[in-house]
Amino acid sequence: SQTIHQWPATLVQPVGSPLSLECTVEGTSNPNLYWYRQAAGRGLQLLFYSVGIGQISSEVPQNLSASRPQDRQFILSSKKLLLSDSGFYLCAWSVGSHSGNTIYFGEGSWLTVV
Amino acid sequence: SQKIEQNSEALNIQEGKTATLTCNYTNYSPAYLQWYRQDPGRGPVFLLLIRENEKEKRKERLKVTFDTTLKQSLFHITASQPADSATYLCALDAPGYSSASKIIFGSGTRLSIRP
Repeated sequence: SQTIHQWPATLVQPVGSPLSLECTVEGTSNPNLYWYRQAAGRGLQLLFYSVGIGQISSEVPQNLSASRPQDRQFILSSKKLLLSDSGFYLCAWSVGSHSGNTIYFGEGSWLTVV
Repeated sequence: SQKIEQNSEALNIQEGKTATLTCNYTNYSPAYLQWYRQDPGRGPVFLLLIRENEKEKRKERLKVTFDTTLKQSLFHITASQPADSATYLCALDAPGYSSASKIIFGSGTRLSIRP
């Protein structure tokens, strides 16, 4: 069966420090991969999605970036964190088809920028 | 751009009653619409998917309707229980690299079922 893991689960970072969140999917090939962010009490904001290795679409202009070095690996990065980057980050995957594109989420990563 | 609105931030109902949540969308005609449940501190979990050519879909105590003319989906939980308390999110597909590669979510409705 398919599984998704992301880490770290929790981190506290100072303003201006770098960030790296990693996500891996097992049990499927060529998945669509996503990074979402959820601010406290808010909805899910799509940050990046990828349909294949090296193919990244950015949805929101920001100081974050994403990379997909391998088929089932998705990394969210920042060179310099801002206070507004605090939130709950969720990696997700799907296998797209014209009959449906159900999203499966990881456990999430809580980021607090201080 | 595509916009999804869930018209209630919070909904409180008595146990045993039917909970009805609303999702409206604009500027797009999605091929399908989905509903997810999210518990505090967890990622959303898929519940139901309904396609544009389907009027209604059921799963146990859950029912979803999809009105492409009104651009609206209704999500019903019948015989509600305190364990149904959670945030419910609707989601739709939007144009991306391929027709099924980008999913956007509404802001969610926090449902509370009181005993």
